[in-house]
Amino acid sequence: AQSVAQPEDQVNVAEGNPLTVKCTYSVSGNPYLFWYVQYPNRGLQFLLKYITGDNLVKGSYGFEAEFNKSQTSFHLKKPSALVSDSALYFCAVRDFSGNTPLVFGKGTRLSVIA
Amino acid sequence: SAVISQKPSRDICQRGTSLTIQCQVDSQVTMMFWYRQQPGQSLTLIATANQGSEATYESGFVIDKFPISRPNLTFSTLTVSNMSPEDSSIYLCSVEGAGADPYEQYFGPGTRLTVT
Repeated sequence: AQSVAQPEDQVNVAEGNPLTVKCTYSVSGNPYLFWYVQYPNRGLQFLLKYITGDNLVKGSYGFEAEFNKSQTSFHLKKPSALVSDSALYFCAVRDFSGNTPLVFGKGTRLSVIA
Repeated sequence: SAVISQKPSRDICQRGTSLTIQCQVDSQVTMMFWYRQQPGQSLTLIATANQGSEATYESGFVIDKFPISRPNLTFSTLTVSNMSPEDSSIYLCSVEGAGADPYEQYFGPGTRLTVT
């Protein structure tokens, strides 16, 4: 069975500082990894994905994530945080080799302080 | 990508009643999914809805409580039956196969349900 762990419920960072939101995963086959963001009273918005190729993936709004197979991690990063980045972030995984839907982590609430 | 709409966007319902949530996609898609997001929680998959066959339910979810229809490739409904306050959640429709990437999932805006 596939699973995702987001070890931090809350991440606080000062505006302009770099941010990292952590994610580790478990799948039996090859992972297909996603990050989504959810703003208050809005649906999920896609940020970025990894399926194969370059381990560093760049996505929307200046976010990027690095796939690390040996550590089974897919941490989300941004060099300089904005107050508008404050939201709930979800990491998700599916097994690329099987016809399985996305499994989500519990979410990490990011708070960027001016 | 896909544009997904859900109706209603929110509702307040009485205990013991049922609510049907509609999901409409602007293109034909192979797979449709229904998720639940309870307050302060992550997304949990309720079921996968394929056109022309019965929905496949995840552990902990049953058809009598959450009947699903999928009459065509652009539309699905989820009914929350005999509601209790524990059913208060955001219900999200998701689709796959709507873009260049056949495995990418897109999400609707959600239906916020409050049961009193």
